[in-house]
Amino acid sequence: DVKVTQSSRYLVKRTGEKVFLECVQDMDHENMFWYRQDPGLGLRLIYFSYDVKMKEKGDIPEGYSVSREKKERFSLILESASTNQTSMYLCASSLSGGVAGPYEQYFGPGTRLTVT
Amino acid sequence: QKEVEQNSGPLSVPEGAIASLNCTYSDRGSQSFFWYRQYSGKSPELIMFIYSNGDKEDGRFTAQLNKASQYVSLLIRDSQPSDSATYLCAVNGAGGFKTIFGAGTRLFVKA
Repeated sequence: DVKVTQSSRYLVKRTGEKVFLECVQDMDHENMFWYRQDPGLGLRLIYFSYDVKMKEKGDIPEGYSVSREKKERFSLILESASTNQTSMYLCASSLSGGVAGPYEQYFGPGTRLTVT
Repeated sequence: QKEVEQNSGPLSVPEGAIASLNCTYSDRGSQSFFWYRQYSGKSPELIMFIYSNGDKEDGRFTAQLNKASQYVSLLIRDSQPSDSATYLCAVNGAGGFKTIFGAGTRLFVKA
């Protein structure tokens, strides 16, 4: 059974703080993803990684950075949290699908971040 | 035009009926298609994937893909109240690493 875990279920931070969200998967997946999910906007891709130390920007990378030092761990960093980054953050992992794109993604439980 | 479009719903069906969820996509080169279910307050979980034109059945669920018309659908037979959730359509763009998700359709199954 694939397991994706995220470091916190709920997090409250102040504007301007540096925030770290961590994600760990135990299935040796090549791909890892960070999304945010907001009502009416669906899942939006922030960053993804297809290998250790590799990263690609998604659709909304501004204000975020990522780190992947080990295959099983993918961290999302909010350099200076702002109120418009209040959201549900979802991490996912998948096997690489080659030219057909990623195989199905397995999601973590999510972190609901509130920035005040 | 959004890359993956779904009717936001809510779609309401009586228990035991067939629920039909539809999705259209814009990238004609897309090769992989997924349906995820997301209960309120939970994260998405995969229901089915489909790669080839036609129907693919798994229990009460049937995914249908028509690449020429660029749509994919999910049929849920004998709908149950436990099927009430948001259903996300997801499509892999041609030749890339990205999966594009639709905004989801909310389904209510009335007992």
